[in-house]
Amino acid sequence: AQSVAQPEDQVNVAEGNPLTVKCTYSVSGNPYLFWYVQYPNRGLQFLLKYITGDNLVKGSYGFEAEFNKSQTSFHLKKPSALVSDSALYFCAVRVFSGNTGKLIFGQGTTLQVKP
Amino acid sequence: NAGVTQTPKFQVLKTGQSMTLQCAQDMNHEYMSWYRQDPGMGLRLIHYSVGAGITDQGEVPNGYNVSRSTTEDFPLRLLSAAPSQTSVYFCASTGRVGANYGYTFGSGTRLTVV
Repeated sequence: AQSVAQPEDQVNVAEGNPLTVKCTYSVSGNPYLFWYVQYPNRGLQFLLKYITGDNLVKGSYGFEAEFNKSQTSFHLKKPSALVSDSALYFCAVRVFSGNTGKLIFGQGTTLQVKP
Repeated sequence: NAGVTQTPKFQVLKTGQSMTLQCAQDMNHEYMSWYRQDPGMGLRLIHYSVGAGITDQGEVPNGYNVSRSTTEDFPLRLLSAAPSQTSVYFCASTGRVGANYGYTFGSGTRLTVV
């Protein structure tokens, strides 16, 4: 079965420190991978995606993600965390069946950045 | 350009009542979908549509109906509301099936069934 896993329910980091939010996936074929962020009482906002090419993908708000095919991972990173980065983060993979392309989400990781 | 618009933002229903959650997009997107978000479970796909007149079931379709009479609109109907349908519902759209476009999400509808 095709799936996405985010092994940490919550990640705590001090402001100014680097952060990593982990994501692993299981899909057949080449994965289309995404990260989204959700602020309280808001919809999901697109951060970045990996389709092909360079394994290090840069996105919005200073975030980046590293695609590792051998480890089937797509971890989200930021060199220096801000308090305003505190939010719920979702990893997702797009899977294809015929002419449809469904987005499958991980369960989400809450990022808490403390001053 | 409004993107994806969901109405209402909040709704309280009694068990057994029916209602329709509205979703409209103005980006001429072919693909539209409905998700529900529950704590610790991420977003789960309810129904989706690859174009006007075409719909299909997602992961958790029971208790919900959809139709797609126009490209712009993709309403979600709760036939007989149950407390298990208390959730936050998101509508999303994307430009082309099979392409690498990202999804655009609405701001959500928070539904409580008592």
